[in-house]
Amino acid sequence: QKEVEQDPGPLSVPEGAIVSLNCTYSNSAFQYFMWYRQYSRKGPELLMYTYSSGNKEDGRFTAQVDKSSKYISLFIRDSQPSDSATYLCAMKKGQAGTALIFGKGTTLSVSS
Amino acid sequence: GAVVSQHPSWVICKSGTSVKIECRSLDFQATTMFWYRQFPKQSLMLMATSNEGSKATYEQGVEKDKFLINHASLTLSTLTVTSAHPEDSSFYICSARAPPQETQYFGPGTRLLVL
Repeated sequence: QKEVEQDPGPLSVPEGAIVSLNCTYSNSAFQYFMWYRQYSRKGPELLMYTYSSGNKEDGRFTAQVDKSSKYISLFIRDSQPSDSATYLCAMKKGQAGTALIFGKGTTLSVSS
Repeated sequence: GAVVSQHPSWVICKSGTSVKIECRSLDFQATTMFWYRQFPKQSLMLMATSNEGSKATYEQGVEKDKFLINHASLTLSTLTVTSAHPEDSSFYICSARAPPQETQYFGPGTRLLVL
């Protein structure tokens, strides 16, 4: 079993839809959880950062972490064509300097 | 957020030559930087962790003599692909850890094509 599992999609939605992206993980030592957005041929851009469990909201984006279920989600409200990209979940353990473990990424396409 | 730059953004070279890629943290000091490789439609694969002033830590299967990493200052890490071959053609991305949060900010990537 891989440490981080993420459905690669592709996921296609109409403009204005609510998008739900998810990752599951197996290592209970993960404490920091992030979502990155990557456009084609670009480096990943940090969207959301969460420490431990709970919700975090930033504009149209909401990140949720459920450590008891080892499950994290990213919700995008009122999706726009500019949201079309690959979304990568990432997480790391508590020790300083350790690398992020990434999911494979979910490709999202929002049609106008 | 913190800004990380990479140079060059793309490079084409002949087989057998060496290529150096620079990664800079522009507005913060990064004691730790990471180098990733990404093939088309694949996720990021960590190659090595670079700590300022010490030797890099390479992931299993990554040849340290082929992918030379130097992290000589708190704002600069370099990756040198030595004796590059066509199979080294890929998208190389660096990231820098930004304290105090355990987040990483990524550079824009360097596309390498070895002919």
